[in-house]
Amino acid sequence: AQTVTQSQPEMSVQEAETVTLSCTYDTSESNYYLFWYKQPPSRQMILVIRQEAYKQQNATENRFSVNFQKAAKSFSLKISDSQLGDTAMYFCAFMKESGSNYKLTFGKGTLLTVNP
Amino acid sequence: DTGVSQDPRHKITKRGQNVTFRCDPISEHNRLYWYRQTLGQGPEFLTYFQNEAQLEKSRLLSDRFSAERPKGSFSTLEIQRTEQGDSAMYLCASSQGSGYEQYFGPGTRLTVT
Repeated sequence: AQTVTQSQPEMSVQEAETVTLSCTYDTSESNYYLFWYKQPPSRQMILVIRQEAYKQQNATENRFSVNFQKAAKSFSLKISDSQLGDTAMYFCAFMKESGSNYKLTFGKGTLLTVNP
Repeated sequence: DTGVSQDPRHKITKRGQNVTFRCDPISEHNRLYWYRQTLGQGPEFLTYFQNEAQLEKSRLLSDRFSAERPKGSFSTLEIQRTEQGDSAMYLCASSQGSGYEQYFGPGTRLTVT
């Protein structure tokens, strides 16, 4: 079974600054996907960024980038130029590639507050 | 693309009552997932459909829970004889074919009193 650990229950950052959210995972799978999802207050969860385990290059989506360290089983999210709209719960999630059930295994989340 | 919708958004029920939730996935999506999210936790997988077939159920899904997806379109999740421990947000997500991105609905928040 896979586990995902987010060790920072809460974080805060000043608007326009950079913040990094941590995530570690445990798996015996060699092929898998990692995701960061964002859940704004009272709004639905949306995908922020995705990383395929077979890719060495770290994924980037505009102000969001990841630091994927496969050997260390670490997958952190960096948010640059933080904006007030980035305030949300952020969940790290794992999906194994094998089989047909692409279910997500989530961490407990990190509540990020961006302060003006 | 109207997104994934869920109904109702909120449900308050008394312990012992039955409740049913509905999820309408994105129209062309053949995979549908149910997750449960309790306060302070990430979502946990409950069950998965590919078209109309329910292919996997979590051990979290006791025999009081049943899910269906007739005709491979919308899905329902029923909880019989609700307990206070069933209070949670129930999330539905859908995805298409070999696509790995799951699109989530707004959830149904269940409160059992």
